Amino acid sequence: GAVVSQHPSRVICKSGTSVKIECRSLDFQATTMFWYRQFPKQSLMLMATSNEGSKATYEQGVEKDKFLINHASLTLSTLTVTSAHPEDSSFYICSARAQGAGSTEAFFGQGTRLTVV
Amino acid sequence: AQKITQTQPGMFVQEKEAVTLDCTYDTSDPSYGLFWYKQPSSGEMIFLIYQGSYDQQNATEGRYSLNFQKARKSANLVISASQLGDSAMYFCAMRRTGNQFYFGTGTSLTVIP
Repeated sequence: GAVVSQHPSRVICKSGTSVKIECRSLDFQATTMFWYRQFPKQSLMLMATSNEGSKATYEQGVEKDKFLINHASLTLSTLTVTSAHPEDSSFYICSARAQGAGSTEAFFGQGTRLTVV
Repeated sequence: AQKITQTQPGMFVQEKEAVTLDCTYDTSDPSYGLFWYKQPSSGEMIFLIYQGSYDQQNATEGRYSLNFQKARKSANLVISASQLGDSAMYFCAMRRTGNQFYFGTGTSLTVIP
């Protein structure tokens, strides 16, 4: 099946620094990717929809200047957490759906556990 | 607004028994997809089963079946013959026409030997 690769799987950074998370579709083209955030023991919350070649669409309450999304190619979307603070510590996970795919699953990356110290 | 509700924060089941995980949803979209994902402690989201809003028959995938009752807006997951490896978080999700997923709060399933 289609594979979505997310990197890094874990990252620890200092408060005030920026962290970039990559989401790649390995064997299919994805015009649209999605970024989710999951706090411990909570559900996945959609943060934004990443569109290849255009600006991302952010969900209400998500700061677009803090969570920068770039979708420069059909196989890569990046999420950059800028000026990270401890409250940004969370599990971030991306998903993508293959072009022309049927009505079944979207493919999720393995997730990135971000810890800001 | 879309809303997915999972009312069981935690469930226990005896090994080899069946268990039903509840999910109700609310949407005004005429077409939508309902999914169940399993999330082990590693964090990855593992696709289990899919039900389209226009599908007439309930979906089945091996030991997983989805009890879809459209009029009641429910999409319960039934796991038959539970195994120890089934212990995980289970999320019900709805996919809208724009391909965004909205997830329920999840149910933690523990399989007891």
